[in-house]
Amino acid sequence: SYELTQPPSVSVSPGQTASITCSGDKLGDKYACWYQQKPGQSPVLIIYQDTKRPSGIPERFSGSNSGNTATLTISGTQAMDEADYYCQAWDGIIVVFGGGTKLTVL
Amino acid sequence: EVQLVESGGGLVQPGGSLRLSCAASGFTFSNYWMHWVRQAPGKGLVWVSRINSDGSVTTYADSVKGRFTISRDNAKNTLYLQMNSLRAEDTAVYYCARARDVYSGFDYWGQGNLVTVSS
Repeated sequence: SYELTQPPSVSVSPGQTASITCSGDKLGDKYACWYQQKPGQSPVLIIYQDTKRPSGIPERFSGSNSGNTATLTISGTQAMDEADYYCQAWDGIIVVFGGGTKLTVL
Repeated sequence: EVQLVESGGGLVQPGGSLRLSCAASGFTFSNYWMHWVRQAPGKGLVWVSRINSDGSVTTYADSVKGRFTISRDNAKNTLYLQMNSLRAEDTAVYYCARARDVYSGFDYWGQGNLVTVSS
């Protein structure tokens, strides 16, 4: 079965750039999405089709996808961005999530 | 305003059954594929099942195939997940989610509904 691998945790200082990676075999040939989930809340879609932001998502969130790696980049990270982040892709008709990355802003 | 409101969760014994419901409002429910995603306590998101807009096509994760059934009633704007032969490892918060497009992710999620399988 297809697997997506994320680092368990990433730390960033306020105002700096955070990068969260998601690795999978030939992931660049598929569409990737990213979700943000804060404690006790439902996930929120922040990036879809590799690079697109839904309305209402701040411009500091951006995405890329090439080769075997999709990357979520948060520019000018704010304290409110501290959350779990999940990548997601499709393996044919099956939906696959990465294991999640806890972003700490300190 | 788009809303997905889940119900039907709770405590069930191993081997038991439960049906989750997801009531949709604020959009034309019959136009969208819908999914179920679950999250075990302290763990990550895991996709469970999906159904196309008219209910004629369904897909399941291997872990639930043969035990869970997804369905929908477009007249009632409601999505269902019938869960049979429940196991301890099915314990999780279950979310219903709307597919934005075929490969565009899930743009709206329900509030989540806890299912606990325990004796």
